Amino acid sequence: AQKVTQAQTEISVVEKEDVTLDCVYETRDTTYYLFWYKQPPSGELVFLIRRNSFDEQNEISGRYSWNFQKSTSSFNFTITASQVVDSAVYFCALSEALNNAGNMLTFGGGTRLMVKP
Amino acid sequence: EAQVTQNPRYLITVTGKKLTVTCSQNMNHEYMSWYRQDPGLGLRQIYYSMNVEVTDKGDVPEGYKVSRKEKRNFPLILESPSPNQTSLYFCASTHYLGSEQYFGPGTRLTVT
Repeated sequence: AQKVTQAQTEISVVEKEDVTLDCVYETRDTTYYLFWYKQPPSGELVFLIRRNSFDEQNEISGRYSWNFQKSTSSFNFTITASQVVDSAVYFCALSEALNNAGNMLTFGGGTRLMVKP
Repeated sequence: EAQVTQNPRYLITVTGKKLTVTCSQNMNHEYMSWYRQDPGLGLRQIYYSMNVEVTDKGDVPEGYKVSRKEKRNFPLILESPSPNQTSLYFCASTHYLGSEQYFGPGTRLTVT
């Protein structure tokens, strides 16, 4: 069965520090999709990025970057020069292509990031 | 603006009193889902729908019903709510399998 592990439950940094959120996944499918979502204190879930299993290119979007490595089944998320507004819970999620008619997302437990001024 | 809306956002009710949480999306998405979020258990899928009149159970369907009579709407029905259904509920929609899912703002339900 699929599984997503976010070993860091809480991380605290000071503003302008770089921080990396780890995500390790397990799946038997060769085709799958990985996601990161942000849940700020207001509670909504905000989509950040999607990656399919055939695209291992790293991605950068402003201060955000993602490192996808199939060899280690990891999809890590780095925030450069963190800001107080980055404080949130971040979820990594997996969606398998096979036997997933409901397009179900399997979420990790989340990492609470606190950025202090 | 492309969005998923849910109502109500907050609801406190009593055991056994039927309730419905509405969900609507304006993106013409085929797939819609309901998730619940609980401390220590994360987000789990309750029900999903692949299109109008096509629904099926997710991981934790007990105590819930859904319907999909129109493409844009996917209400979640609790016929006889119990305290263990106290949770934060999210509706989500997506265009096709594997694409990103867009979540509604959440409905915080308390059953006493």
